[in-house]
Amino acid sequence: GQNIDQPTEMTATEGAIVQINCTYQTSGFNGLFWYQQHAGEAPTFLSYNVLDGLEEKGRFSSFLSRSKGYSYLLLKELQMKDSASYLCAVRSGGGNKLTFGTGTQLKVEL
Amino acid sequence: DTAVSQTPKYLVTQMGNDKSIKCEQNLGHDTMYWYKQDSKKFLKIMFSYNNKELIINETVPNRFSPKSPDKAHLNLHINSLELGDSAVYFCASSPSRGDSQGEQFFGPGTRLTVL
Repeated sequence: GQNIDQPTEMTATEGAIVQINCTYQTSGFNGLFWYQQHAGEAPTFLSYNVLDGLEEKGRFSSFLSRSKGYSYLLLKELQMKDSASYLCAVRSGGGNKLTFGTGTQLKVEL
Repeated sequence: DTAVSQTPKYLVTQMGNDKSIKCEQNLGHDTMYWYKQDSKKFLKIMFSYNNKELIINETVPNRFSPKSPDKAHLNLHINSLELGDSAVYFCASSPSRGDSQGEQFFGPGTRLTVL
C-alpha cells in the first residue's frame, strides 16, 4: 500500500517563506505532484518532481529526495491569496494513478 | 474556454435515488478520472478511463458505474444513493504520459448531498 503524510495545518505571515513537507512510502515511485486547492474550488497543478533536486517556478519551488521518500513545497513572498490547502500526490506504477495526501491547510496572516 | 466541465455543480437528493454526474473535457486528453473528496478533504481516486477503456477501478461499491461514450466524456452514475455518498466529486483529465509529465486537470466539482 501507500502512505503519504503532511502536516494538517500551518500558519505563516504575509511576505514570509513557508515550507510544507510531505513524506511518502510507496513501491514503484514514478513522480510526485503538488496541487493547490482553495476552499470550494478544484485542485490546480503547481509542480512536479520525478528526479532528486529542486524545481523552481516563480515564488513556488518543490524539492524531492527519492531515497528519503521526502518532498517539500517552498512558498516565498507569501501573499494572502496563498491561503489554501496544499496537496501532495504520489504517482506509482506505469500508469497515471495518483494517491493524494490529506493536504496541508495554510493560513497566511497579516 | 478550454477546460474540464462538470454538471451539475450541486446535487441534492434523497436516499435510494439514482443520479448521474456528467463530465466533459475539451483539452484533447486521452485519460479521464473520477475522484471523491470527503468532508475531511481527502481526495481519493475512484475510476480512470483511457480512450474509453477502464484502466483504474478502485474499491468502489458497484452502485457506482462510470461510462465513457468517447474520450472527451466520462459520466458517473450512482444507484441507490446512501448518506455516505455525500461528498464532492471531481472529474479530471490528463494527456498521455508520453506527451508530458501527465499532470491532471480538474473540473470544478459536483457537491452531492444525500438526505
